[in-house]
Amino acid sequence: RKEVEQDPGPFNVPEGATVAFNCTYSNSASQSFFWYRQDCRKEPKLLMSVYSSGNEDGRFTAQLNRASQYISLLIRDSKLSDSATYLCVPYSGGGADGLTFGKGTHLIIQP
Amino acid sequence: ETGVTQTPRHLVMGMTNKKSLKCEQHLGHNAMYWYKQSAKKPLELMFVYNFKEQTENNSVPSRFSPECPNSSHLFLHLHTLQPEDSALYLCASSQGSAAQGSYEQYFGPGTRLTVT
Repeated sequence: RKEVEQDPGPFNVPEGATVAFNCTYSNSASQSFFWYRQDCRKEPKLLMSVYSSGNEDGRFTAQLNRASQYISLLIRDSKLSDSATYLCVPYSGGGADGLTFGKGTHLIIQP
Repeated sequence: ETGVTQTPRHLVMGMTNKKSLKCEQHLGHNAMYWYKQSAKKPLELMFVYNFKEQTENNSVPSRFSPECPNSSHLFLHLHTLQPEDSALYLCASSQGSAAQGSYEQYFGPGTRLTVT
């Protein structure tokens, strides 16, 4: 079983809409979770960290369900600039361990 | 954003060349990482350094040789590469401590390497 599974998409969403993606993870020892966004041919940029049940930052909300081992990302009032690949990264390390990335979910916001 | 910088940004090299990639972080972090991202593939961890000591080598071929002279600088020395080594090489850093909240890794812009 893969460490993290996401629907690769693409999700085609009209500007202004709300969109949500789920991410399931296999390692129940994962304590921390990160959402990164990656634009085409660019580096991943940290969008949000989740250490408890969830986190909210402006239009972005992450919700963690430990019992079912999934984490979701909700984007409200989507903007054209939100078009990117969103990478869910569970982390069970002790401080200086590498991250395991999947292919992420590709989001396209359409005008 | 200049937290983590990488040079060069683009590199074309022949299979017999020797070149080095450089990464510098200005975040006061103690851990640094090399990742590789081939076309249309996920990032793959290559090496981890914490307080200048290598703590992880993810079965990387010896034609890739990392060097970490201090906590702010990380190098990746390349020699006799193959065309399949063409990829985006990304450096990242994190605080490196075991305290929650210090696990976030911040990436540099990467070096796009083409091996001919």
